[in-house]
Amino acid sequence: EIVMTQSPATLSVSPGESATLSCRASQSVSSNLAWYQQKPGQAPRLLIYGASTRATGIPARFSGSGSGTEFTLTISSLQSEDFAVYYCQQYNNWPPFTFGPGTKVDIK
Amino acid sequence: QLQLQESGPGLVKPSETLSLTCTVSGGSISSSSYYWGWIRQSPGKGLEWIGSIYYSGSTYYNTSLKSRVTISVDTSKNQFSLKLSSVTAADTAVYYCARHLSYGPFDDWGQGTLVTVSS
Repeated sequence: EIVMTQSPATLSVSPGESATLSCRASQSVSSNLAWYQQKPGQAPRLLIYGASTRATGIPARFSGSGSGTEFTLTISSLQSEDFAVYYCQQYNNWPPFTFGPGTKVDIK
Repeated sequence: QLQLQESGPGLVKPSETLSLTCTVSGGSISSSSYYWGWIRQSPGKGLEWIGSIYYSGSTYYNTSLKSRVTISVDTSKNQFSLKLSSVTAADTAVYYCARHLSYGPFDDWGQGTLVTVSS
């Protein structure tokens, strides 16, 4: 099973600033990596797949990079609606699909 | 626009079987290439994949739950279902159904349903 880790656990950011979230896989997942955003009481929403491709309707301020075992999600110029929990997930080796523990982005 | 909706009891007694159904609308569950999965999230915790099914009936389960999980599909009703047996309080979670490609992310999700295991 591929173990996903994320850092930091919590990131405090002021509106308008940028945020950089990290995700690491215990072994290579190539570019088969997705990022999700989850707000309280809501289902996760797909933001990025293929490590760097934005899903339909996702603003350009969200960008993903990386391959192999190291990945980054960057949110530039954070808006109020971006404060949420972000999860990475690998779909290169399944079963099982595995998710990271999440990074909470909160208001500084 | 594809929509998924979970349904089922919100309260299950310990040792009993949790049963949920996901109804798919706005698209066919028999679409080639797509798989249909269940994911859960314990209160305040992260996401755990439970298992997935293809419309043909092929199933894939998380080994951590495999002995207790059954996922089935009813193409005539455009639904797929989850059964989790011998539940304990540790199975209390929000259960989501979602769609994915064979090697793809979960691109459409249901809203989730909270299932509490308690006597």
